[in-house]
Amino acid sequence: GAVVSQHPSRVICKSGTSVKIECRSLDFQATTMFWYRQFPKKSLMLMATSNEGSKATYEQGVEKDKFLINHASLTLSTLTVTSAHPEDSSFYICSARDPGLTRNEQFFGPGTRLTVL
Amino acid sequence: LAKTTQPISMDSYEGQEVNITCSHNNIATNDYITWYQQFPSQGPRFIIQGYKTKVTNEVASLFIPADRKSSTLSLPRVSLSDTAVYYCLVVINTGGFKTIFGAGTRLFVKA
Repeated sequence: GAVVSQHPSRVICKSGTSVKIECRSLDFQATTMFWYRQFPKKSLMLMATSNEGSKATYEQGVEKDKFLINHASLTLSTLTVTSAHPEDSSFYICSARDPGLTRNEQFFGPGTRLTVL
Repeated sequence: LAKTTQPISMDSYEGQEVNITCSHNNIATNDYITWYQQFPSQGPRFIIQGYKTKVTNEVASLFIPADRKSSTLSLPRVSLSDTAVYYCLVVINTGGFKTIFGAGTRLFVKA
């Protein structure tokens, strides 16, 4: 199946700094990628839809100026958590759909564990 | 997007068949029923998708009644490694439409 990678797998940063997380589709091109956040023992919460070549679409309650998304190519989307605070500590997961498949199957990255001190 | 309801948790023993039922009363005509599996600290993984009746693949079966208001994921002869969270979703099977996750069912398989 299609492969989606994320980098880094885990990151620890100080409060107030910014952190960039990369999401790559390795063997297919994705015009649309999705970013999720997951807290311990909770379900995935969709944060935003990343659209190649255009602005991301954010879910209600997600601050677009805090979670900057850039989808500059068909294989790469980045999520930057700006001025991170301890409450931003979470598991961030991206996904993409392979347009070569007929069914709407999302391929998920392995996730990035962010810890803000 | 149709809302789904599934049990919060289930316990089973190795070798047993596990059936997880999901309710989706407001499913639309174009919606497909999809199940994902998630292990701790990993991204979800697609298990199976169906529209109606029965779908079977190498890891699971999906049973969907005629009214499509519910579905049952069947895992044959589970092992300890099947301990995970299982999510039932209804998704439109066209384009790159976003996927909204419900609470999921936490399956714990015991020896």
